[in-house]
Amino acid sequence: SQQGEEDPQALSIQEGENATMNCSYKTSINNLQWYRQNSGRGLVHLILIRSNEREKHSGRLRVTLDTSKKSSSLLITASRAADTASYFCATDPYSGGSNYKLTFGKGTLLTVNP
Amino acid sequence: DAGVTQSPTHLIKTRGQQVTLRCSPKSGHDTVSWYQQALGQGPQFIFQYYEEEERQRGNFPDRFSGHQYPNYSSELNVNALLLGDSALYLCASSPDGSSYNEQFFGPGTRLTVL
Repeated sequence: SQQGEEDPQALSIQEGENATMNCSYKTSINNLQWYRQNSGRGLVHLILIRSNEREKHSGRLRVTLDTSKKSSSLLITASRAADTASYFCATDPYSGGSNYKLTFGKGTLLTVNP
Repeated sequence: DAGVTQSPTHLIKTRGQQVTLRCSPKSGHDTVSWYQQALGQGPQFIFQYYEEEERQRGNFPDRFSGHQYPNYSSELNVNALLLGDSALYLCASSPDGSSYNEQFFGPGTRLTVL
C-alpha cells in the first residue's frame, strides 16, 4: 500500500520557473525522503528531512515538513530542462519497533520546457 | 567507485517460469533492499537482506524469495511468474539498512512476463 501521495500527478512549467510538489502521508513517520527518477530508471536520493525538522535546503531544493498536517513539499527553484523527471516522496513510518523499509508515493511527473 | 549494479537490464519470460535477478551493492554497503515498481506507480518494498538474512519483508507472496552472499551481493528469485509480475525491479543498498540513511538505487531490471 502507498503511504505517501504526491500532488499534483503531473506538472509542466517553463525553464526558470519554480516547481512545487506536495506529499501527504497517513501515519506518523520517523523521516521523509525525496527521490528523483529519470525515464523509469534508478532513483536518485535528493534530500532527507527528519520528523523533528521543519525545513531543509540543498542547492536549488527546499523541503518543508509539517507533521501536524502530515504533509511535505519539495520546491525546485529556477528549474532547468534537466530537472524533467518523476519525483517521489518516501516515508519511514513509525511503528514502535525497527523499520527498514521505505514507503513510496506514486510520484509527480515534472516536465520543464526549454 | 562503482555504484549499485543490477543484471540483467531487461528480461522477457513467460507465465509459470522462474527468474533470478542480481544486484551488487555500492562499495562499503552491507545491506540490500529490493523494490518492485509497476508502470506509473511508486516502488513497493519486497524485502531487505542484512548479514545474509532476510531482515524485513513487504506484502509479497512466498513466490518472491531472495539471498545475500558473504560479499553482500544479492539475488531476487520469483517463481511461477504471473503477468502481474511485469515491472521494474530495483535494488537499493545502504550502509546498515537504517531508514535514516539514504538508499542508493541501481538502474533496475525491466521484467516482462508474457
